[in-house]
Amino acid sequence: EDKVVQSPLSLVVHEGDTVTLNCSYEVTNFRSLLWYKQEKKAPTFLFMLTSSGIEKKSGRLSSILDKKELSSILNITATQTGDSAIYLCAVRKSNYQLIWGAGTKLIIKP
Amino acid sequence: DVKVTQSSRYLVKRTGEKVFLECVQDMDHENMFWYRQDPGLGLRLIYFSYDVKMKEKGDIPEGYSVSREKKERFSLILESASTNQTSMYLCASSLPSTGTSPLHFGNGTRLTVT
Repeated sequence: EDKVVQSPLSLVVHEGDTVTLNCSYEVTNFRSLLWYKQEKKAPTFLFMLTSSGIEKKSGRLSSILDKKELSSILNITATQTGDSAIYLCAVRKSNYQLIWGAGTKLIIKP
Repeated sequence: DVKVTQSSRYLVKRTGEKVFLECVQDMDHENMFWYRQDPGLGLRLIYFSYDVKMKEKGDIPEGYSVSREKKERFSLILESASTNQTSMYLCASSLPSTGTSPLHFGNGTRLTVT
């Protein structure tokens, strides 16, 4: 059975800390891995990863895929209170089918 | 920017009522999706549509139906609402692709069935 597992389930850190969120997967017909940030409403798209070892970066956020280890990490440096959110990982296996992890709830304390 | 609009942010309905959740996207996307999101379970696909009048069951279609009469609009219907359908419902759209187009989500409808 296909599955995507995110860890940790929740994390509390102080502003300025660096955090690493993990996403591991067992999915047949892997096409891509996506990261989303969800605050109180719509999940917003962060990154899509298709190739192993190539880091994607956007400001203080970065992500990399390791196809050998069937995993991805999302790094956030110099965290701010605005980074508090649920971070979702999903693996796409077809045009229509994504397998979602349960999310990591990140809380940044001032 | 893509905009996906869900008609209601919060909805409270009684058991047995017929419930309509509406979703409209403004980017001419072919694909549209309905998910439900429950704590600890992630997003689960209810139905998706890849074209007008076309629909496919997702992972948890029981108790739901959908309608796509126009490209921009995708409706989720709960024929007879039950308490176990209390959840956050998310609509999304995307371009047709071979896996390179991200999903764009609406703000969600939090449905409570009493």
